[in-house]
Amino acid sequence: EADIYQTPRYLVIGTGKKITLECSQTMGHDKMYWYQQDPGMELHLIHYSYGVNSTEKGDLSSESTVSRIRTEHFPLTLESARPSHTSQYLCASSPSAPSYEQYFGPGTRLTVT
Amino acid sequence: KNQVEQSPQSLIILEGKNCTLQCNYTVSPFSNLRWYKQDTGRGPVSLTIMTFSENTKSNGRYTATLDADTKQSSLHITASQLSDSASYICVVSDRGSTLGRLYFGRGTQLTVWP
Repeated sequence: EADIYQTPRYLVIGTGKKITLECSQTMGHDKMYWYQQDPGMELHLIHYSYGVNSTEKGDLSSESTVSRIRTEHFPLTLESARPSHTSQYLCASSPSAPSYEQYFGPGTRLTVT
Repeated sequence: KNQVEQSPQSLIILEGKNCTLQCNYTVSPFSNLRWYKQDTGRGPVSLTIMTFSENTKSNGRYTATLDADTKQSSLHITASQLSDSASYICVVSDRGSTLGRLYFGRGTQLTVWP
């Protein structure tokens, strides 16, 4: 099993709150990713990072922001949560090429009321 | 447009039976194809990864096939178990970018009944 962790696993918050979803990996991977997944739907890439101080937006537009100050840590922040942000957020990491594998964390189920 | 389509959307089988899940893709240029298993409320876990030159790969009771010419893949599950109940996701990677962008299917929801 991959050593990638996400906290919290479940979060229910009110509209307008600021939240940070944590993601950490102990594998020393350079690349990290955030995906958003709604029930029965495909995963959508919202942010990724090639390494420390590198962050890029993914395919799906998101109001969230990310930071990569340390290799092992890739937190995602929502400054003002809205009901439209309700979703599952999955963090993943992968070593630099040549490797095809992405290792996923268990996910955070976010509900904004 | 790069897409990954999976069928069926859902499937119910009895324990001990075999089943085959399908994946069609239009991703180009193709790099590799992966099958993931995702349990409810968990992150996906990799089952197999196949590159252009590979046309079959096994992982225990899971066997994936790839036809790069027709852009089709299948995942065959043998002697199903209750623990096989999950969503099976086909993921295709392109080689047109440094990131190796992944394109995800919506998954096939498999339910195994006793």
